[in-house]
Amino acid sequence: RKEVEQDPGPFNVPEGATVAFNCTYSNSASQSFFWYRQDCRKEPKLLMSVYSSGNEDGRFTAQLNRASQYISLLIRDSKLSDSATYLCVVNGLNTGGFKTIFGAGTRLFVKA
Amino acid sequence: SQTIHQWPATLVQPVGSPLSLECTVEGTSNPNLYWYRQAAGRGLQLLFYSVGIGQISSEVPQNLSASRPQDRQFILSSKKLLLSDSGFYLCAWSVPGGGEKLFFGSGTQLSVL
Repeated sequence: RKEVEQDPGPFNVPEGATVAFNCTYSNSASQSFFWYRQDCRKEPKLLMSVYSSGNEDGRFTAQLNRASQYISLLIRDSKLSDSATYLCVVNGLNTGGFKTIFGAGTRLFVKA
Repeated sequence: SQTIHQWPATLVQPVGSPLSLECTVEGTSNPNLYWYRQAAGRGLQLLFYSVGIGQISSEVPQNLSASRPQDRQFILSSKKLLLSDSGFYLCAWSVPGGGEKLFFGSGTQLSVL
């Protein structure tokens, strides 16, 4: 089992739609969680941190479920500019020390 | 504010040639520094990280090496490139103890032919 798993997609949605991505992680000792956005041939950029209480930033809502070991990202009212790959990132201690693990990403295409 | 510079943006090198990619960070002191590689359509693979000058940890065995000659400078090198070294190389920094939020440079697309 991969340490961080994401559905690669692609998710094809019309403008204005609501779309949700999930990400599961295997290390129960994981401590911090993030979503990054990566445009084609560009560097990943931090989108938002993910907290147990859930957090919202405009049209984006992130949620963490420690019991089930997954995090989610909800995008409301999708825009064309939301088209990108969304990377799930998990930090925590494992046998090799403190690690930052990136998921392979979920591709989103928002269509007019 | 903090900025990270990485160059070159693209590089085409023949097999067996040397490599040197450079990354510098401004606006912060004693950052943690990282080199990642991303193969086409794949996730990010951590190659090296550094918590201080001259301190390099290698995550995967390979023909690449890294050096940190100055606090805010991180260099990725190879003496002889392989075809399998092609990929998108990303330098990143984080604040020590800052929850490991990573901030990336703009990346170098390396093609080994």
